[in-house]
Amino acid sequence: SQQGEEDPQALSIQEGENATMNCSYKTSINNLQWYRQNSGRGLVHLILIRSNEREKHSGRLRVTLDTSKKSSSLLITASRAADTASYFCATGLKSTGANSKLTFGKGITLSVRP
Amino acid sequence: DTAVSQTPKYLVTQMGNDKSIKCEQNLGHDTMYWYKQDSKKFLKIMFSYNNKELIINETVPNRFSPKSPDKAHLNLHINSLELGDSAVYFCASSQVLTSGGNAYEQYFGPGTRLTVT
Repeated sequence: SQQGEEDPQALSIQEGENATMNCSYKTSINNLQWYRQNSGRGLVHLILIRSNEREKHSGRLRVTLDTSKKSSSLLITASRAADTASYFCATGLKSTGANSKLTFGKGITLSVRP
Repeated sequence: DTAVSQTPKYLVTQMGNDKSIKCEQNLGHDTMYWYKQDSKKFLKIMFSYNNKELIINETVPNRFSPKSPDKAHLNLHINSLELGDSAVYFCASSQVLTSGGNAYEQYFGPGTRLTVT
């Protein structure tokens, strides 16, 4: 079964508002990553948080990780129409070296209305 | 310059045909991947190669055969195409971090939309 599951499946907000997206997973992880996918394009890496970290920031992005609850959240502050995209969380399991792989969730569709 | 490139971008073919998708990365990464994204956007790993060696082979029909002539290229050949193979196929690459463990980010190509009729 899937490792990461995002919530909500779709989110529609007004430009300038904050967007919060959640991801839950089932097994112990080494790291969790968030990716963005614009329509018809490939995925773009946004941020990586390791299992021993609780919070990371990158520009308008803030990611938290709660390993006790097996959950992560991605906050986009002061959203822009250009943030409209699908957002995926991906979990890297506790395995070694190049055998590590990422397991992706189904994604969240974010629409930011101008 | 494109970091991870795939060709073709679109591929329309009939059932039973054989087709190939090519992928190249100019990032100097050691590891390359193939993913399949279905119509519901679910992204699932198919294969992973590290320095031309197959290291991940998920439950994929043996009609799918990856080939890595060198660590910058990972091609995907599909035999006897079926309707259910219609999807977007993404190539990706990563450089495994050697300090502190195995956390890494992946760089994706633009995707190849395969339509089997």
